[in-house]
Amino acid sequence: EVQLVESGGGLVQPGGSLRLSCAASGFIFSTFGMNWVRQAPGKGLEWVSHISSSGSTIYYADSVKGRFTISRDNAKNSLYLQMSSLRDEDTALYYCARSYDIWSGYDHWGQGTLVTVSS
Amino acid sequence: DIQMTQSPSSLSASVGDRVTITCRASQSISSYLNWYQQKPGKAPKLLIYAASSLQSGVPSSFSGSGSGTDFTLTISSLQPEDFATYYCQQSYSAPGTFGQGTKVEIK
Repeated sequence: EVQLVESGGGLVQPGGSLRLSCAASGFIFSTFGMNWVRQAPGKGLEWVSHISSSGSTIYYADSVKGRFTISRDNAKNSLYLQMSSLRDEDTALYYCARSYDIWSGYDHWGQGTLVTVSS
Repeated sequence: DIQMTQSPSSLSASVGDRVTITCRASQSISSYLNWYQQKPGKAPKLLIYAASSLQSGVPSSFSGSGSGTDFTLTISSLQPEDFATYYCQQSYSAPGTFGQGTKVEIK
């Protein structure tokens, strides 16, 4: 069974940093692209970042470019999102999601980890 | 960036109704269009990928059509478990923008 489990969320002050993790199991992690998608409270879905299966290709939304860094460790079956210079508007539930590649739908999602940016 | 516009933003329907949701892209995205269902407090679930391909395990009452800029998601006979919010997403190019969502409520 495919499982994606996010962790690392919490309360952080504006300007602070946080590192999210996503532990994957039940599939060959190194053969799938991975994504971060966020959802602000009561709002819609916002795509954040994609990393290819090997980690060689990375994309970011303009809203996080230069502040967030996506990475993966295929040996540990893990995906990461390093977030810095956090803003109030980064407050959201952050999901990791699996896709075969950048052109594919996201067929499995984690349960999300909540990031709250507030003073 | 490619903008995705869904309509309507919300709708009320009864069990057994046929429901259609539309999604329009700001430029051609070929068939790189996905549909998701999200229920309150849950992660989104992939229903349709590549505009018209049904994801494994999804009831055949769901169908998708379209190409280029105009797409539709159809639920042929609405069931109680189908009341949810539906999102389209383009995967033609990064960023993989989502539509704003369509909330399907009980009439």
